[in-house]
Amino acid sequence: DSGVTQTPKHLITATGQRVTLRCSPRSGDLSVYWYQQSLDQGLQFLIQYYNGEERAKGNILERFSAQQFPDLHSELNLSSLELGDSALYFCASSADRDRGAFFGQGTRLTVV
Amino acid sequence: AQKVTQAQTEISVVEKEDVTLDCVYETRDTTYYLFWYKQPPSGELVFLIRRNSFDEQNEISGRYSWNFQKSTSSFNFTITASQVVDSAVYFCALTSLRGYGGSQGNLIFGKGTKLSVKP
Repeated sequence: DSGVTQTPKHLITATGQRVTLRCSPRSGDLSVYWYQQSLDQGLQFLIQYYNGEERAKGNILERFSAQQFPDLHSELNLSSLELGDSALYFCASSADRDRGAFFGQGTRLTVV
Repeated sequence: AQKVTQAQTEISVVEKEDVTLDCVYETRDTTYYLFWYKQPPSGELVFLIRRNSFDEQNEISGRYSWNFQKSTSSFNFTITASQVVDSAVYFCALTSLRGYGGSQGNLIFGKGTKLSVKP
């Protein structure tokens, strides 16, 4: 168990809808990362938050946004969903001393 | 640009065989970190090892061993006496202190190698 918790584990929704994925990092970790894993693109870094502030952006679509709250949990918001957004979304967290990140179990999003 | 290449898309072996998963990386940074993660059929990403660019010592952990060679930019992973439970997709990943705003958690992943171990 990595200590990173993601909810829900599975999500099925229709095209055009909006969903929110939630992540609770390991206790004390200030950095939270979101990754997308799809068959086409593999594992891709989307965005990083550090202690409530956006730190870095990767290949994140404009329809997607994230935030990190004062209690350090994070949410990834996906809107105007398309079939191609179906993927496994991972959250990861790390402490300043870490070299690398610890991943949650992922949220499998299916857009129908 | 940073890049990780795992040329082997799929490997199939019979139980007890040794198998090596290849990983070649590209980076201009002198300080970087390399990782291997395992993704079993259940989907989670399991951390296996981290190696920094200044430590070229090979590492062995049980049936797992890793061979890091800066001269060839490779970080290969060998499973000795493979078992059915080793069946998974294995990812090699790279990060540097100057990647994506200086954080260590922004990993560049290879496409992964799917390992199937048959009884």
